[in-house]
Amino acid sequence: QVTLKESGPVLVKPTETLTLTCTVSGFSLSNARLGVSWIRQPPGKALEWLAHIFSSDKKDYNTSLKTRLTISEDTSIGQVVLTMTSMDPVDTGTYYCARIFAGNLGMDVWGQGTTVTVSS
Amino acid sequence: DIQMSQSPSSLSASVGDSVIITCRASQTIGRFLNWYQQKPGEAPEMLISAASTLESGVPSRFSGSGSGTDFTLTISSLQPEDFATYYCQQGVGTIAFGQGTRLDIK
Repeated sequence: QVTLKESGPVLVKPTETLTLTCTVSGFSLSNARLGVSWIRQPPGKALEWLAHIFSSDKKDYNTSLKTRLTISEDTSIGQVVLTMTSMDPVDTGTYYCARIFAGNLGMDVWGQGTTVTVSS
Repeated sequence: DIQMSQSPSSLSASVGDSVIITCRASQTIGRFLNWYQQKPGEAPEMLISAASTLESGVPSRFSGSGSGTDFTLTISSLQPEDFATYYCQQGVGTIAFGQGTRLDIK
């Protein structure tokens, strides 16, 4: 069974750096055809893709957020980490990780999401 | 970057109705188009990949079509569990989602 689970702080202060971890099971991050994507959703708003990584160390970032994002992975422990710098209240929302296929960049299994609030 | 736009942004329908949601890409994306369903308080679920391939377990009343820049998601004979928000997502280059279509019960 493929599962992904997000973890990280519930509350961060403006200007701080957010670090989120996605722990996966049921598939290998070493599989070049499978990767992990991060997606967020502000309250009541649409999904916004943030970044993804594949085992070949192929990474891609949302163009608008590229300067603030870093994605990395530790295949040995099945974890993908996303950091986002300079957090602002507009970054408040639910952050999801999902398994992504290299072929069509479709995301077939999602984590439950973790809610992050940015407030002083 | 390739942008996605969906229409309508919301619609109301009754159980048993058929509905069509459209998704347009700002540039041609072949058939690299995926559809998701999201219910309130839940994570999205993938319904359709590659424009028309139903994911395992997805009822056959869902269907997708299109290529290039114009795509549709059709739900025939709406069931109560189908009232949700639907998103398209392009899989060419830098990923982008549409803004979503909220489907409500009339």
